Amino acid sequence: QLVLTQSPSASASLGASIKLTCTLSAGHSSYPIAWHQQQPGKGPRYLLYLNGDDTHTKGDGIPDRFSGSSSGAERYLTISSLQSEDEADYYCQTWVTGLVVFGGGTKVTVL
Amino acid sequence: QVQLVESGGGVVQPGRSLRPSCAASGFTFSNYGMHWVRQAPGKGLEWVAVIWYDGSYENYADSVKGRFTISRDNSKNTLYLQMNSLRVEDTAVYYCARDLGRGVLLFDLWGQGTLVTVSS
Repeated sequence: QLVLTQSPSASASLGASIKLTCTLSAGHSSYPIAWHQQQPGKGPRYLLYLNGDDTHTKGDGIPDRFSGSSSGAERYLTISSLQSEDEADYYCQTWVTGLVVFGGGTKVTVL
Repeated sequence: QVQLVESGGGVVQPGRSLRPSCAASGFTFSNYGMHWVRQAPGKGLEWVAVIWYDGSYENYADSVKGRFTISRDNSKNTLYLQMNSLRVEDTAVYYCARDLGRGVLLFDLWGQGTLVTVSS
């Protein structure tokens, strides 16, 4: 069964960097994922997608501060130079044979 | 402008039906698979259903299978979700989303959502 695991919360100071992790369940370590941001009271926004070979493609207009990387079954989203507007929920997402799966989301707090 | 705009949400009693829709613009709608995703109050994202670019394939989450039907009209650039036998637990904001196409079910475009409230 394909499961994506995320830590429920993370925090960092304004201007610092933060690295979020999304872990793919056993047997699915090569799967690509997408990262989405959901600011308070808004709909989700696509940030980027990550292949298992560590390449990634960002959505239109996504700042350079957002980047992705991979290592084994882990997929990362790094946000550099944290801004107040980065305070949001972040979800990873993938799929298998016509079923889409989301991680539980990580709530990022900017201190 | 590339966008998805949902409409048709509202308040409905348990057991009744509702059909939200999603209007696409700014891209070739018929080239992409489309999805519905929902978010209950204070909860995370839950995938609901997918339809292939040409309508030839559909699939559903177990929680809605047999009650919800996804459809599309490529001549009108519109996606639909027929929701029957609604339950209180179907209360959520419903988002439509576009996938990358070519069988890659990663989303790269979201709508703003429409709220469905099931209550007596």
